[in-house]
Amino acid sequence: KAGVTQTPRYLIKTRGQQVTLSCSPISGHRSVSWYQQTPGQGLQFLFEYFSETQRNKGNFPGRFSGRQFSNSRSEMNVSTLELGDSALYLCASKEPGVHSPLHFGNGTRLTVT
Amino acid sequence: AQSVSQHNHHVILSEAASLELGCNYSYGGTVNLFWYVQYPGQHLQLLLKYFSGDPLVKGIKGFEAEFIKSKFSFNLRKPSVQWSDTAEYFCAVNAGQAGTALIFGKGTTLSVSS
Repeated sequence: KAGVTQTPRYLIKTRGQQVTLSCSPISGHRSVSWYQQTPGQGLQFLFEYFSETQRNKGNFPGRFSGRQFSNSRSEMNVSTLELGDSALYLCASKEPGVHSPLHFGNGTRLTVT
Repeated sequence: AQSVSQHNHHVILSEAASLELGCNYSYGGTVNLFWYVQYPGQHLQLLLKYFSGDPLVKGIKGFEAEFIKSKFSFNLRKPSVQWSDTAEYFCAVNAGQAGTALIFGKGTTLSVSS
């Protein structure tokens, strides 16, 4: 099976702009989670989607939003970008079941200037 | 709220040395525990996981971890490290219920010299 695919791999944006990141989960996986990874804070949970519904949300401002489509693909949007939003954004998918592990993509490296 | 602490930020070892990375979590209920590894330039990969049963779990590449419930710990071990084990290691925990987020520790960078 193909792994989790994230596009684009790299993005450079300026403050105040908005950005949309895309994630295609492993075939058959209906749960998609998003994480922000920075050197100082490590991996921080943004949100999880399951069957097109947001099932859980981390402690991030409302500028961070997401959605999931009927084919389980997910997008994440960040509006009014700030310098502190520069990070590696990781998407992960999993099979149904509380014991299923997350499978991560390679991430999108966002740089805000 | 759940949290995960990894005590070592950076560990430097020589090849063939033994490894133990500490991980403690705070959550009083049933938990699922994971160790992930991120090799340079690669995506996060699952090393091993614990849900129930034998508290000593074995993962890929010779890694193992022991769950000690009374200490809220899930330490990662390897008897003899190799240069190729150089990577960042993350401990993670979620509550044993559907829809709960996986919470990660801040990671431990392991550098192995040959």
